[in-house]
Amino acid sequence: KAGVTQTPRYLIKTRGQQVTLSCSPISGHRSVSWYQQTPGQGLQFLFEYFSETQRNKGNFPGRFSGRQFSNSRSEMNVSTLELGDSALYLCASSSRVNTEAFFGQGTRLTVV
Amino acid sequence: GDSVTQMEGPVTLSEEAFLTINCTYTATGYPSLFWYVQYPGEGLQLLLKATKADDKGSNKGFEATYRKETTSFHLEKGSVQVSDSAVYFCALSDLTSNTGKLIFGQGTTLQVKP
Repeated sequence: KAGVTQTPRYLIKTRGQQVTLSCSPISGHRSVSWYQQTPGQGLQFLFEYFSETQRNKGNFPGRFSGRQFSNSRSEMNVSTLELGDSALYLCASSSRVNTEAFFGQGTRLTVV
Repeated sequence: GDSVTQMEGPVTLSEEAFLTINCTYTATGYPSLFWYVQYPGEGLQLLLKATKADDKGSNKGFEATYRKETTSFHLEKGSVQVSDSAVYFCALSDLTSNTGKLIFGQGTTLQVKP
């Protein structure tokens, strides 16, 4: 079974631009979560999608958004990039609540 | 709200030493508990899990027991190797939100020297 796939692995963007990250979950997993990882803040939850519906959202500004498609693939978008958005963005999929999540390798976003 | 607290790192050990990384949690109900490991430049890998009180999760020589009475889930390994050098995260499932969200500790860096 293929694991969670995130694309691209690395991105360099300029302040003010927008970016879209993609995540393909494990086949059969309908829950997809996104996390931001930085050295100072650790792992912070962004949002979770299940069957194309956002079920949960973390404490991030509206510039951070996401969506999920009918095949469970998910995208997250960050608009008007700021230097502080530089981070490793991790996607995770799971089969149900109260169970383990499987992570992709992440997308390293650098904002210059 | 629910939370996870891990011991501060970095933890530096010599090869073949005994490892303990402490993890305590605050939660409503009976969440599942996890240890994840992150190698440099990689995502998180599930190391082990426990789903109810007194369960022992184990994998690759690592063990952790779900202790409801002390709200702890300490990670142990009897003999560490250089290849175990990584960042270790303790996590719990967020039952309050009833979604796939996990709540993580801040991570503990382990460095094993030959």
